[in-house]
Amino acid sequence: GAVVSQHPSWVICKSGTSVKIECRSLDFQATTMFWYRQFPKQSLMLMATSNEGSKATYEQGVEKDKFLINHASLTLSTLTVTSAHPEDSSFYICSARGGLAEIFSYEQYFGPGTRLTVT
Amino acid sequence: GQNIDQPTEMTATEGAIVQINCTYQTSGFNGLFWYQQHAGEAPTFLSYNVLDGLEEKGRFSSFLSRSKGYSYLLLKELQMKDSASYLCAVLDSNYQLIWGAGTKLIIKP
Repeated sequence: GAVVSQHPSWVICKSGTSVKIECRSLDFQATTMFWYRQFPKQSLMLMATSNEGSKATYEQGVEKDKFLINHASLTLSTLTVTSAHPEDSSFYICSARGGLAEIFSYEQYFGPGTRLTVT
Repeated sequence: GQNIDQPTEMTATEGAIVQINCTYQTSGFNGLFWYQQHAGEAPTFLSYNVLDGLEEKGRFSSFLSRSKGYSYLLLKELQMKDSASYLCAVLDSNYQLIWGAGTKLIIKP
């Protein structure tokens, strides 16, 4: 149980275009979803936290107009990188929290990640 | 501020034992997680400690001392596949995960 999927697993796009990444909890209802970014050889950096049906909470330094997050249902959150630039190239990982995990440990279940390359 | 410290890199020999330390200073404490992350992949859950003491799970064990703000992850009978980064993360008073920078573990034959 507690499987989280991400799509696509990798994407290459041209500078100036927008890219949407989907994160789905497959077998549980995710009351909270998190979006992380990870540059090579660095740790996870939390970008934003989203609760179903409400606006995402962005971390300091993350542009909310550039990284649009939608958590429309208890099983789906999307991250749209708008007007992407080469410096946005990174590994984007989502995680989800909910169900029994939220009661016992607040464990986050991670998706497999999406590697974005902007040319 | 909130701070989690762990060594940047460690090297160990296949078949040996290695201990990865993590110290933390956070606003509140609701548990400490250890995650394993192989290069290019997402983190996978290893352990969760909220009470003091040692939790053993196969070749991996995790220890917590809340009074000292200290945890360690112990890996026994090291295998080459254990080469990965090990991330320490603390759940603070707001139930937000505060992440350490990770420890890259290199296993040599």
